[in-house]
Amino acid sequence: EVQLVESGGGLVKPGGSLRLSCAASGFTFSNAWMSWVRQAPGKGLEWVGRIKSKTDGGTTDYAAPVKGRFTISRDDSKNTLYLQMNSLKTEDTAVYYCTTEGDGYNHDYWGQGTLVTVSS
Amino acid sequence: QSALTQPASVSGSPGQSITISCTGTSSDVGGYNYVSWYQQHPGKAPKLMIYEVSNRPSGVPDRFSGSKSGNTASLTISGLQAEDEADYYCSSYTSSSTHVVFGGGTKLTVL
Repeated sequence: EVQLVESGGGLVKPGGSLRLSCAASGFTFSNAWMSWVRQAPGKGLEWVGRIKSKTDGGTTDYAAPVKGRFTISRDDSKNTLYLQMNSLKTEDTAVYYCTTEGDGYNHDYWGQGTLVTVSS
Repeated sequence: QSALTQPASVSGSPGQSITISCTGTSSDVGGYNYVSWYQQHPGKAPKLMIYEVSNRPSGVPDRFSGSKSGNTASLTISGLQAEDEADYYCSSYTSSSTHVVFGGGTKLTVL
C-alpha cells in the first residue's frame, strides 16, 4: 500500500523559513517523480513544484509564485521528499500535500497534508 | 484566478447524471491529453479519479468518465450516489512556465 506522510508544518512569521518532509513507502521511491501541491484555506489546489527521479535527471520545476524561494529535494536512501521554504509570505499559508506524479502529469497518490501558517 | 475554468457548483439527484466542464486553452487542455480529475471530500486529501482525459485508476467506479473536446474537458458522473458529494478539480499539463494548472474546483451537491 502506497503511503505518503508529511510532517514539519507549523506557524512561522513572514520572512521566516520552514522545511517540510514527506516519508514515502509502498512503492519504489527512487523511480518516482514527486510533487508538492498546496491548498490555501477554503481555496482550490495549486501546484507548487516537482522533482524528477534521478534516472530522469533529478531536475526540479517550480510554479512562478514560489520560484527562487522554495527548493524541492529528495533522499532516495531515506525514501523522503523535502520542501525547503524560505522568505515565506502570508499568501503561502496552506495545507501542503506531497504527491506522486504519474506519466501523464497526474497526481496518483496524496499524503494527508501538513498545515503551514505564515502570520505575525 | 485559476488557469482552468470550472463551474462553481453543480447538483443532481441520486441516480441522475451530471457533467462538470473544465475549460482551458490550446496551451493546456486543448494541446495535450494530460487532463486529470480529482475528488476531494471535506477535510480529506484529493483522490485521483480520471487521468489522461479518460482513464480510470483501479478502484474508481465506472460511473465516472472523462472526455475532451477542443479546449474543454468534462467529467461525467452517472448514477449519482450520496457519497459522490464532494469538490472536484480538473488539472492539465501546460506548456507555460507553470507546468501544471488546476481548475478552481466544482462543488457537487447530491440533492
